[in-house]
This record gives sequence, structure tokens and C-alpha cells, in this order.
Amino acid sequence: GQQVMQIPQYQHVQEGEDFTTYCNSSTTLSNIQWYKQRPGGHPVFLIQLVKSGEVKKQKRLTFQFGEAKKNSSLHITATQTTDVGTYFCAGIITGTASKLTFGTGTRLQVTL
Amino acid sequence: NAGVTQTPKFRILKIGQSMTLQCTQDMNHNYMYWYRQDPGMGLKLIYYSVGAGITDKGEVPNGYNVSRSTTEDFPLRLELAAPSQTSVYFCASRDVKFNNEQFFGPGTRLTVL
Repeated sequence: GQQVMQIPQYQHVQEGEDFTTYCNSSTTLSNIQWYKQRPGGHPVFLIQLVKSGEVKKQKRLTFQFGEAKKNSSLHITATQTTDVGTYFCAGIITGTASKLTFGTGTRLQVTL
Repeated sequence: NAGVTQTPKFRILKIGQSMTLQCTQDMNHNYMYWYRQDPGMGLKLIYYSVGAGITDKGEVPNGYNVSRSTTEDFPLRLELAAPSQTSVYFCASRDVKFNNEQFFGPGTRLTVL
């Protein structure tokens, strides 16, 4: 079936280090979204990317959408303890506009 | 706006019991979704609706039912609860007019013993 995978599953960094999570789809995506879920919380929308090759920044977060629209990445510069949580990508698979397919998630732990 | 609200927050069921998880949104979104999230895992789509009176199955619909009689409400029904349905259930609504953002409710933590 159609799948959206993320790597790594888990990463533990020291505060101040950078962090990147990668999202790969087996099929072309119309767009890609990123969500953050704090421990015990619910997913919260971060951003949507629509265009091939698109790059967007939100303060220390940089999001990219691949040229083939099958992969994406989220990079956090100089992590802080407030970045702790699980980051999910979610894509609208071309032809299935009604629903998002969520990635497997990357859990980020940040320690001092 | 209250956004997406879910009740109850927690529930323990015995095997074979039934219950309805309530979900309400006040943002006038046509699209609504039910997900389940098992511990340490991602979100799996159970059912979704693109408007009042229209529902469709997601990835894991077995053991669940939904209805959508109004734009605001999208209840999820569990019939004959089984231990495999122990999970956290999230309801979400989607803003398709602006940026496709999905707004999630706080979740219902369900344990079936």
C-alpha cells in the first residue's frame, strides 16, 4: 500500500545541536505537511509545502519539499528543550485529496 | 472558537462493551477525521467525512462505525470492544479553504480490559 516513512525513528541530541528528520513517500504527493506532537499532547500543524523544490523557514526550522515531490525534510538549527516531541510529516497522495497519509514519525529528545 | 473538542478524555471498557466517542468542531469545516494512535506509533486513519451525510473508510475501519448528521459533529462508535482497540483516539477537522491544516482534538484515551 501507499506508505510514508520517516527516518530516524528516534534521535537524542544535546541542546544546541542540529536535528534533521527525513520523510519519504512511495508515491507522488500533491503537498506535504508537518506536525509536532508534544508528549501526551495532540498533533499541531507546523507548515504546508506545495511546490516542487519548495523551501520554507520558521525561525530555527527549515522545511524542504523534494523536486520529485516524493520526499521532504525538516531541519532544526540549534535545538532547544522546547523542541522535544514527535515530528510527523503528512502528505496528500495525488488522487486522494480527501485525506492525509501520516508518516511514521521521528521522536526528538533534547537534553542539556 | 473552542476548535475541536472530544469527550470523554479517558475511558475504560470491558471486552464486549460498546461506546461512542464524541467529536465536535465549531470552525464550520466540512472535512473531519478519526485517527487512532497506539503507544509510540503514528496515526492511523479510521474513518473520514467530507461533509454532512458523507462518510468513508480509512485504513483501519473494522470494529468502528461513524455518522455525520451535522457539519459540527462526527461521533465514532465502537461496537463489541476488544483489547486491540486500546489506543488514543484523535478527531480532527480540516480547513480546505486556506492551507489544508488539520486541527486536532485533545484525544480520548481508551483502555479495553
